Amino acid sequence: AQSVSQHNHHVILSEAASLELGCNYSYGGTVNLFWYVQYPGQHLQLLLKYFSGDPLVKGIKGFEAEFIKSKFSFNLRKPSVQWSDTAEYFCAVNAGTNAGKSTFGDGTTLTVKP
Amino acid sequence: DTGVSQNPRHKITKRGQNVTFRCDPISEHNRLYWYRQTLGQGPEFLTYFQNEAQLEKSRLLSDRFSAERPKGSFSTLEIQRTEQGDSAMYLCASSEQGPANTEAFFGQGTRLTVV
Repeated sequence: AQSVSQHNHHVILSEAASLELGCNYSYGGTVNLFWYVQYPGQHLQLLLKYFSGDPLVKGIKGFEAEFIKSKFSFNLRKPSVQWSDTAEYFCAVNAGTNAGKSTFGDGTTLTVKP
Repeated sequence: DTGVSQNPRHKITKRGQNVTFRCDPISEHNRLYWYRQTLGQGPEFLTYFQNEAQLEKSRLLSDRFSAERPKGSFSTLEIQRTEQGDSAMYLCASSEQGPANTEAFFGQGTRLTVV
C-alpha cells in the first residue's frame, strides 16, 4: 500500500521568504506525484505534477518540485512567497494506472505574514 | 463546462438520518471518484466509477455507504443511519480514462455535519 508523509503540519513565513515543504512517499513501483493547493473556502487545485522525464517540475504561481527517486521524495519549493500563498498544501501519489485514485498526505498549512 | 460540481455544499443532519450527495463531473470524463476528508487529514479514497460501473471500493466504505452512477454521468453518495463519525468533507473528482499520465479534477466538496 502507498503512504505519503508530509513532515510540516504548519509553516509560518514572512512575505518574500523562501519555501520548502517536504513530502516523502512509500511505494516500490512507478509513481505519479502531485502537489495540490486548497485556498480557504475553495476546492483542491493542482499546483504541479510529475509523471516522467525531468525530475524538476514547474507548476503554476512560481512553484516547483523536485522528484528524488532515491529518497522517495517530492519536495515543493518557491523562492519567494506572497501573502496570497496562504493555503493548505497536499502532496499525493498514485501508482500511475488510475489518474484519480491517489493517496494524499495530511497536508501542510502555510501562513504567510504580510 | 465549469468543472466538477457538488451539491449540496453543506449538510447538517441528525444522527440516524440518511443523507445523499450529488456530484456532476466534467462532461467528457468517464471516471468519477469519491473521497472523504476529515479535519487535519488529507483526502482518503472511497470509491471510483468508470462510466456506470463501480470498479473499486475502499474498506473505509462501510455497508452504510452506497454510491451510484446510473447513467455514467452524475453520481450520488448515500449514507444511511448517519453517525457523528461520518462528519467530514466529501469530495468528488473526475478524470479521463486515457493514458496513465492524466489528472483528476476536484469539486468543492460537500461538508457533512452530523449532530
